Amino acid sequence: NAGVTQTPKFRILKIGQSMTLQCTQDMNHNYMYWYRQDPGMGLKLIYYSVGAGITDKGEVPNGYNVSRSTTEDFPLRLELAAPSQTSVYFCASRTSGQQYGYTFGSGTRLTVV
Amino acid sequence: TQLLEQSPQFLSIQEGENLTVYCNSSSVFSSLQWYRQEPGEGPVLLVTVVTGGEVKKLKRLTFQFGDARKDSSLHITAAQPGDTGLYLCAGVPYYGQNFVFGPGTRLSVLP
Repeated sequence: NAGVTQTPKFRILKIGQSMTLQCTQDMNHNYMYWYRQDPGMGLKLIYYSVGAGITDKGEVPNGYNVSRSTTEDFPLRLELAAPSQTSVYFCASRTSGQQYGYTFGSGTRLTVV
Repeated sequence: TQLLEQSPQFLSIQEGENLTVYCNSSSVFSSLQWYRQEPGEGPVLLVTVVTGGEVKKLKRLTFQFGDARKDSSLHITAAQPGDTGLYLCAGVPYYGQNFVFGPGTRLSVLP
């Protein structure tokens, strides 16, 4: 039972480079999310999806993009990386209903230099 | 400005002590969850509370949702080193559809 799998675990990018953070879940969850976590700031929602083909912006979407072509996959694209995007990124999924919690991946630590 | 505030920000205690951490807001929430996060890992769900005044127990952990659904507390009895971690609360505001997270309380239990 893999749950939510994120790759890579660590990455260093130069300013202006682009990359894709991968996220896959095997629980057939409709809802998927991307969060970033900065020290003392909690988790901030970047983008979310309520099902394949449907995505929407969260609280901090600027500089990012997503797609949801399948139920399982929800990649996060960073275009023109900036130092402000240095953070730990978490992908999460859940089934519908507020009583159900998130299942998180183990995170990607990204540094932009 | 955080929609959910957590206190204290940091807490360091000795094994065997009791502690309470708080999650507060000026907004009403339809449900609230508590997570624990260990270094290098994603948060793991501990509990969901949905009814004002609700109390849930998970072994040595007791969770309470405020009557007005604006706050919650987590009480740990006889803390153990394995309780060390970042405790996050998350809730869905009545006007929203997505969970918002508090900044967390970082707990360290020393043997």
